[in-house]
Amino acid sequence: KNQVEQSPQSLIILEGKNCTLQCNYTVSPFSNLRWYKQDTGRGPVSLTIMTFSENTKSNGRYTATLDADTKQSSLHITASQLSDSASYICVVSAEGNQFYFGTGTSLTVIP
Amino acid sequence: KAGVTQTPRYLIKTRGQQVTLSCSPISGHRSVSWYQQTPGQGLQFLFEYFSETQRNKGNFPGRFSGRQFSNSRSEMNVSTLELGDSALYLCASSLSSEFNYGYTFGSGTRLTVV
Repeated sequence: KNQVEQSPQSLIILEGKNCTLQCNYTVSPFSNLRWYKQDTGRGPVSLTIMTFSENTKSNGRYTATLDADTKQSSLHITASQLSDSASYICVVSAEGNQFYFGTGTSLTVIP
Repeated sequence: KAGVTQTPRYLIKTRGQQVTLSCSPISGHRSVSWYQQTPGQGLQFLFEYFSETQRNKGNFPGRFSGRQFSNSRSEMNVSTLELGDSALYLCASSLSSEFNYGYTFGSGTRLTVV
């Protein structure tokens, strides 16, 4: 069964600290993996997209990694800011244009 | 350039009614997909349209339907509303339905069924 699981479900960190969010998937055949950031009351915004051959991709303070062998991805946020408070959603695409969504990690950055 | 526009932003309906939501994609984008987001289930794919044709469909009952017009604008209709249909409905557009293209989401329509 194609599934995407994210952990932790929620996370609270101090401003300036780093954090890592996890995404494990069982989607097959794998096409690509995206991380989205969703602010409260807004639609998701794409952070990174990675295909099978890519191990790391950065977007500013956000760095995503992908291990296609273990079917795991992580999103690392460096030097967190208050504006990083949001839900982070992992989306895995299977060939044939099928999308599978994780339920997200809710991140709260406190001063 | 303008982003993905969804109207209305908020909607309150009673059980048994029907509702139509609208999505205007980014200019030039031909693929429009719809999603339902609830706290318990997260984001769930409803359907995708490309050049007025439904390309993919998620596991939702037939009460959920959609269409796309020649200008790529899309509408989603939900008939015989149930309390469980209360959710944030998101629309996303893309240049193509090919999997390597990124999708841009709108801000959503918050539907409350009472």
